[in-house]
This record gives sequence, C-alpha cells and structure tokens, in this order.
Amino acid sequence: ETGVTQSPTHLIKTRGQQVTLRCSSQSGHNTVSWYQQALGQGPQFIFQYYREEENGRGNFPPRFSGLQFPNYSSELNVNALELDDSALYLCASSPPGAFRDGYTFGSGTRLTVV
Amino acid sequence: AQSVSQHNHHVILSEAASLELGCNYSYGGTVNLFWYVQYPGQHLQLLLKYFSGDPLVKGIKGFEAEFIKSKFSFNLRKPSVQWSDTAEYFCAVNPHTGNQFYFGTGTSLTVIP
Repeated sequence: ETGVTQSPTHLIKTRGQQVTLRCSSQSGHNTVSWYQQALGQGPQFIFQYYREEENGRGNFPPRFSGLQFPNYSSELNVNALELDDSALYLCASSPPGAFRDGYTFGSGTRLTVV
Repeated sequence: AQSVSQHNHHVILSEAASLELGCNYSYGGTVNLFWYVQYPGQHLQLLLKYFSGDPLVKGIKGFEAEFIKSKFSFNLRKPSVQWSDTAEYFCAVNPHTGNQFYFGTGTSLTVIP
C-alpha cells in the first residue's frame, strides 16, 4: 500500500490568486474526498469525487472546484483566494462502495494565503 | 445543522491513568461513528468505528468506544494510557443520508511519562 499522497506539502499564495492541490488515492480506492482543516478546528467536508464526478458537496462556495481523473487521482482548485482559505487541505480516499467504512487520509497540503 | 461536540479540548494525563474523551453529535437519524487519531507529524488514522450491533467497539492499541444512542454519544476510552498515546483525537459522524463526515474540533491528549 502506498497510501494517499498529496502535493505540494506547503504552499504560500497571495490573496486573489488561484491554487491547484493534487492527490493520489491509495491503490484500489476509487472515491476521493477533500476536507479543509483550519487551525484549531476539525476537518470540514468540501466535496467528494466518484467515477470522475462530484458526488456530494459541503458548504463551500463555487470557487472551490475539483476534478477526478480516470486513475482516481484528484485535484482541488481554489480561485480568488481569500485570507480565510489558509488551512490544511486533506485528501481522503476509500475503496469502492466503502467510503462509510472510513477514509485513508493523506498528510495534507498546508496553504497559507497572504 | 449537524454538529459534533468534543468537550475536552486539552487533556493531560500521567502514564497508566485511565482516559475517557467525550463526543456528542446532533444528528437524529442513522449514523456511522468514528474516532480518528493524529500522532505528531503524522496523518489522520482510523482508531475505531461503529456501524451497528454491539454498542461497545474495540479499536487498535487498546482503545474502545461506547455508543449510547439515547445520549447521542460515542465516548472513547482506554484503561491505561501510554506516553505514545500523545496525539490529537477526532470524533467523526457520517449520517447515512449524505456522503460527508462531520468532525469534532478535536481533543489534544498529552501523556506525561
């Protein structure tokens, strides 16, 4: 098992810029979910991707968007960055039909918006 | 709105002390319940989970949790903590009506040797 890998590990962006975060799911996992974890808070659900389509979304504005590729890897894109977008972004994957069994998380990308 | 409450934000214990971390949730329907742990410098890892059946579930490293439906609670316990249990602990709830997991704000546990 290679686990869930995310890149980059750290990123600094300026307010108003756009950012793309990447995630490779664990081998055999076809469902990918993205979470935002602000400092001192628990992870908050952004959205989930299954079969290359968005399959559920949390309370995040449309400037948060994503993609899933045929190899199940995924991207999270954030446009028009705001200072409050500074957070740890977590990618989590799960096996087919088993996301309710619990996720395998990556180590996250720490995004700082200045 | 669904919410998950972890009442203990910071807990400091000596080795061999017993641990109980509280978790309450607000959702009234069928849920799956989880505890995740994040050791310093590591990613979130699943500690244990409850789907149905016996409300007392056992996880890795001697941890267990009890689901009390009438209290909407899923408290984590360990009879005797070790220094290596120092970590952040997150309770999470997945209502069956949706895909998302709702996480609590976490409890930071420090175990003193």
